[in-house]
Amino acid sequence: DTAVSQTPKYLVTQMGNDKSIKCEQNLGHDTMYWYKQDSKKFLKIMFSYNNKELIINETVPNRFSPKSPDKAHLNLHINSLELGDSAVYFCASSRDFNSGNTIYFGEGSWLTVV
Amino acid sequence: EDQVTQSPEALRLQEGESSSLNCSYTVSGLRGLFWYRQDPGKGPEFLFTLYSAGEEKEKERLKATLTKKESFLHITAPKPEDSATYLCAVGGATNKLIFGTGTLLAVQP
Repeated sequence: DTAVSQTPKYLVTQMGNDKSIKCEQNLGHDTMYWYKQDSKKFLKIMFSYNNKELIINETVPNRFSPKSPDKAHLNLHINSLELGDSAVYFCASSRDFNSGNTIYFGEGSWLTVV
Repeated sequence: EDQVTQSPEALRLQEGESSSLNCSYTVSGLRGLFWYRQDPGKGPEFLFTLYSAGEEKEKERLKATLTKKESFLHITAPKPEDSATYLCAVGGATNKLIFGTGTLLAVQP
């Protein structure tokens, strides 16, 4: 069983479209995250949710809207996609939001905006 | 501001040739230093967490060490299957995990 699973793995879409990425974790963790990895492999946090509540929002454009229906799920919706949004998006989870806890990552969603 | 710098950016080794990867960090209130391995097309895979200076952890051919300013990932007698990008990250008082840009390791048979 995959601990953190996200879909879709690959997404190719045109500029201006709206798309969503779904994420689920079966680790029983309280905290979930969205990270963005750029072409240079740099991983940067976008959002963090703890028990469905937003606790970190890293100056991400309003076009990105996370939603956590329950603590096992964290989805990412992106409106009006731009070329610069092309990247790999990783969902992750940890036991709680203390940064001393190990974060476990999903396999990533490769987004290409054309 | 919390910061992580990894060196070298890329490293090519012959099979069996031991070496070390460096992770220099500045962080307010270290809560953990993490090493991950990332294979192409995959998510980061957790390797180690170190919590305090002097701590060491080992797993197969890998050994991670920690001082107050840096961490080393020692790779002993590497094999081609150790080829990957190795990422270092620190968690501090801001409760955000800050990553370095990684070291791309290639081990040639």
